[in-house]
Amino acid sequence: DAKTTQPNSMESNEEEPVHLPCNHSTISGTDYIHWYRQLPSQGPEYVIHGLTSNVNNRMASLAIAEDRKSSTLILHRATLRDAAVYYCIFPTGNQFYFGTGTSLTVIP
Amino acid sequence: GAGVSQSPSNKVTEKGKDVELRCDPISGHTALYWYRQRLGQGLEFLIYFQGNSAPDKSGLPSDRFSAERTGESVSTLTIQRTQQEDSAVYLCASSLGAYFGYTFGSGTRLTVV
Repeated sequence: DAKTTQPNSMESNEEEPVHLPCNHSTISGTDYIHWYRQLPSQGPEYVIHGLTSNVNNRMASLAIAEDRKSSTLILHRATLRDAAVYYCIFPTGNQFYFGTGTSLTVIP
Repeated sequence: GAGVSQSPSNKVTEKGKDVELRCDPISGHTALYWYRQRLGQGLEFLIYFQGNSAPDKSGLPSDRFSAERTGESVSTLTIQRTQQEDSAVYLCASSLGAYFGYTFGSGTRLTVV
């Protein structure tokens, strides 16, 4: 399995930035790093993905280390709706391996 | 459709009965995946379909589990002789291909009593 390592849980105050780390030391040079999040009672939702350089979209930013063995998902201003489990994954064979992710709590 | 649709949203069945879960992917998405998520756990890969290629069944936990997909349309996941340990949320996702992002459905919550 293509494994990633994430903290089990993190907390953030509302309207503050959140940096969610992920280690993926076994990633190959051509694998994209993907981030998904899962809100309670819903299926996972795509957040962002990237290969080497940093990526931005309307939901978040993705900072990828130069050696690609780690990455950080950045939520610029956490809202209560960002409370979810965040998964950092990359493809192995035909599928993505989802670990248990990071459960983010946003404190009002 | 606009998203991935799964039905039923909830299913309660008696131990030993067969169940069939349905997934309607996004039109044009050639890849379709089934995952299982037990309570409080991460997603467990079950099976992958890509176009008309033979499916990757490497994640199916036993021969009681099977899945079919007709072309690039609807898929059904069948669980025969259900057991209590089959209770979980079954998630379907589709994408343009193995290296593209997934769009997930809301899942089917299966409870075996």
